[in-house]
Amino acid sequence: AQKVTQAQTEISVVEKEDVTLDCVYETRDTTYYLFWYKQPPSGELVFLIRRNSFDEQNEISGRYSWNFQKSTSSFNFTITASQVVDSAVYFCALSEARTGGFKTIFGAGTRLFVKA
Amino acid sequence: GEEVAQTPKHLVRGEGQKAKLYCAPIKGHSYVFWYQQVLKNEFKFLISFQNENVFDETGMPKERFSAKCLPNSPCSLEIQATKLEDSAVYFCASSQGRGDRGGNQPQHFGDGTRLSIL
Repeated sequence: AQKVTQAQTEISVVEKEDVTLDCVYETRDTTYYLFWYKQPPSGELVFLIRRNSFDEQNEISGRYSWNFQKSTSSFNFTITASQVVDSAVYFCALSEARTGGFKTIFGAGTRLFVKA
Repeated sequence: GEEVAQTPKHLVRGEGQKAKLYCAPIKGHSYVFWYQQVLKNEFKFLISFQNENVFDETGMPKERFSAKCLPNSPCSLEIQATKLEDSAVYFCASSQGRGDRGGNQPQHFGDGTRLSIL
């Protein structure tokens, strides 16, 4: 069965610190997609990244980077030099590609507090 | 449009009343999804559509929830005889559907409708 585990419920850091948000997933499929979304205090959901199961290359986008490790079923998200505006709840999500399996399963989210 | 548009932003209903939420997907997106988020916790998948056809309804409560996506109309999610536990933010998302290697495109989310049952 599909499952996404974000073990860190809340993380608090001081501005400019680096922070890593963990995500571990479970799936029986060989073809799947992983996502990270950001939900700021205003409530909307912001898409950050999609990674497919065939591509284990790590990705960097500005201060954000993602580490995809199929061997450990993890898709961790690192924010470098965190800023107050990074304060939000971050959701890791999994979507399988098999027919009929387009729904996305979300983790419980990690609430990040970045203090000035 | 360029964004998923959900209306209303906030809906207040007394227990037992009906609630109807609307979602206009991004133009050209053929898949629409509804999710329920209770108290900023994880999202619960409710139902998905491929154009006007139900694609996956495994998350829909059987009795009081229904949803439609009709041609040339916003999609809708309706809750009959609402209960206190239905209080949540309901998110709609749309996607283009199948992408490379048979996988799916990221889902673009609307800003949600906050449903408050009193």
